[in-house]
Amino acid sequence: GAVVSQHPSRVICKSGTSVKIECRSLDFQATTMFWYRQFPKQSLMLMATSNEGSKATYEQGVEKDKFLINHASLTLSTLTVTSAHPEDSSFYICSARRTYEQYFGPGTRLTVT
Amino acid sequence: AQKVTQAQTEISVVEKEDVTLDCVYETRDTTYYLFWYKQPPSGELVFLIRRNSFDEQNEISGRYSWNFQKSTSSFNFTITASQVVDSAVYFCALQGAQKLVFGQGTRLTINP
Repeated sequence: GAVVSQHPSRVICKSGTSVKIECRSLDFQATTMFWYRQFPKQSLMLMATSNEGSKATYEQGVEKDKFLINHASLTLSTLTVTSAHPEDSSFYICSARRTYEQYFGPGTRLTVT
Repeated sequence: AQKVTQAQTEISVVEKEDVTLDCVYETRDTTYYLFWYKQPPSGELVFLIRRNSFDEQNEISGRYSWNFQKSTSSFNFTITASQVVDSAVYFCALQGAQKLVFGQGTRLTINP
């Protein structure tokens, strides 16, 4: 099956700093990528849909100025958490769409201290 | 609006027992896809099955089987002869015309 990678897998940062998470589709081109957030013992919640070459579409309640998404190429989307706070600590998962199928990355666990 | 309901928050059984995870969905789309994913403690989602709305055939894959019933908008998942390695959180999901929507998940614990 298709492979999607995320980097880093874990990151710890101090409150007020910014963190960038990369999502790559390794063996296919993805015009659309998705970013999800998962709090402990909860489900995956879609944060935004990222389309290559255009602005991301954010879900209601997600601050676009705080969660910056850049889909610069057909194989790379990045999520930058700006001015991170402890409440941003979560598991962030990306996925890439190929035709009608979504392939998920392994996730990035962000801890903000 | 699309919605997926997994009423069972947690299930705990003894190894070798059969267990069924329930999934009920809502959608106005006539064409849609249903999925089951497994999420072990590592966090990575493992794809288990995809079923489109026009295919109501039940499916069996080893110890896993799925029962899709459009009449009741359900897509239930059964593990036969459960094993400790089956312990994980299982998510049912629905893809309609737009985004993929996940249920709340069922935490399954298989005790030796």
